[in-house]
Amino acid sequence: DTEVTQTPKHLVMGMTNKKSLKCEQHMGHRAMYWYKQKAKKPPELMFVYSYEKLSINESVPSRFSPECPNSSLLNLHLHALQPEDSALYLCASSPQGQKDYNEQFFGPGTRLTVL
Amino acid sequence: LAKTTQPISMDSYEGQEVNITCSHNNIATNDYITWYQQFPSQGPRFIIQGYKTKVTNEVASLFIPADRKSSTLSLPRVSLSDTAVYYCLVGESPDKLIFGTGTRLQVFP
Repeated sequence: DTEVTQTPKHLVMGMTNKKSLKCEQHMGHRAMYWYKQKAKKPPELMFVYSYEKLSINESVPSRFSPECPNSSLLNLHLHALQPEDSALYLCASSPQGQKDYNEQFFGPGTRLTVL
Repeated sequence: LAKTTQPISMDSYEGQEVNITCSHNNIATNDYITWYQQFPSQGPRFIIQGYKTKVTNEVASLFIPADRKSSTLSLPRVSLSDTAVYYCLVGESPDKLIFGTGTRLQVFP
């Protein structure tokens, strides 16, 4: 299984809602990533988990809260978002500790709309 | 983290070879050069990676000069399905990659 899955595909939420995005991989990868991508812009790294521990947090607002319950799952909890947070949220994974191979496996993304 | 510069867009016709050049003047000794492809509303997909000289796989070739300050992704005989955004990234490991602005390739019939 060489796939990263993300649910839901689409999400519409109000600014007072609490929702979660889910990402799953069964490739045995120990590094997992969250990216945010606005229309016609490159993906922006938000968080990196390494061996289920948060290793990189790119100064993301606290209304985004990541969680890695186990080595296969990655969640992104959303609370009190703003309309400008509307974007495609991408999850990716890669084998940990590889310094000579830069392949990340990306999921299809969750299209988030904040009203 | 090394910054990359690519052309914003390129046009081509089916059957032609397309070369996309990326500039990375401050590439570090341990950095690899990696290219990704992204279709609209999909996650990026790994295409090819290299360190120096030339690398070829079933979909593309990557040319890297001796000074490694630039690289060229070559797509042979493109088709309509190659219309996408192509990103050049440099870094020593997957968690040290930053996406640049990318090159939007449009292939015409």
